[in-house]
Amino acid sequence: AQTVTQSQPEMSVQEAETVTLSCTYDTSESDYYLFWYKQPPSRQMILVIRQEAYKQQNATENRFSVNFQKAAKSFSLKISDSQLGDAAMYFCASHPDYNTDKLIFGTGTRLQVFP
Amino acid sequence: GAVVSQHPSWVICKSGTSVKIECRSLDFQATTMFWYRQFPKQSLMLMATSNEGSKATYEQGVEKDKFLINHASLTLSTLTVTSAHPEDSSFYICSVSTSGVLTQYFGPGTRLLVL
Repeated sequence: AQTVTQSQPEMSVQEAETVTLSCTYDTSESDYYLFWYKQPPSRQMILVIRQEAYKQQNATENRFSVNFQKAAKSFSLKISDSQLGDAAMYFCASHPDYNTDKLIFGTGTRLQVFP
Repeated sequence: GAVVSQHPSWVICKSGTSVKIECRSLDFQATTMFWYRQFPKQSLMLMATSNEGSKATYEQGVEKDKFLINHASLTLSTLTVTSAHPEDSSFYICSVSTSGVLTQYFGPGTRLLVL
């Protein structure tokens, strides 16, 4: 079965510092997509960043970047210059199957940001 | 990304009544819509996938007669919780995607409380 694993239930970071959230996944596909979503206290799911597996270059969106290691099936999210507004649940997700549009979500990592 | 709305944002109902939740894609032709359920401090659980004009595909363990899904147009899907019971109390989230765009965009969610 396709799985997504987030081994860090909680993480914390000081404002302006950098934090990395881990994610590993399992898929038998050679081409697929990976996502990080943020869910703040409002519970609105917000797309943070997306990575296409066939692209070797790591995706970057402003302060958010990923470290995509295809061979290791690892997809970590790095948040630089952390801000108080970054405090949220972060979910890693994979789209492993081209036959459907379903996403497989990890269990989430709660990020706390301290001033 | 797409702008997705849900209505109502929260609802309280008596046990045995039915509740309808609407999901609208405001600026996006949503060929596929998804309905998720999320329990406190847990990840999203996919309930069903619906394609415009077709019957929804339900995940294993989800009662299709209890959770009626209609996806009548490219901008609207509804989830009806029939004969709701307290155990149906949860946070329900919809998301949308379109052909060729694998990213899902999420609505703000609906909090259901069944008394």
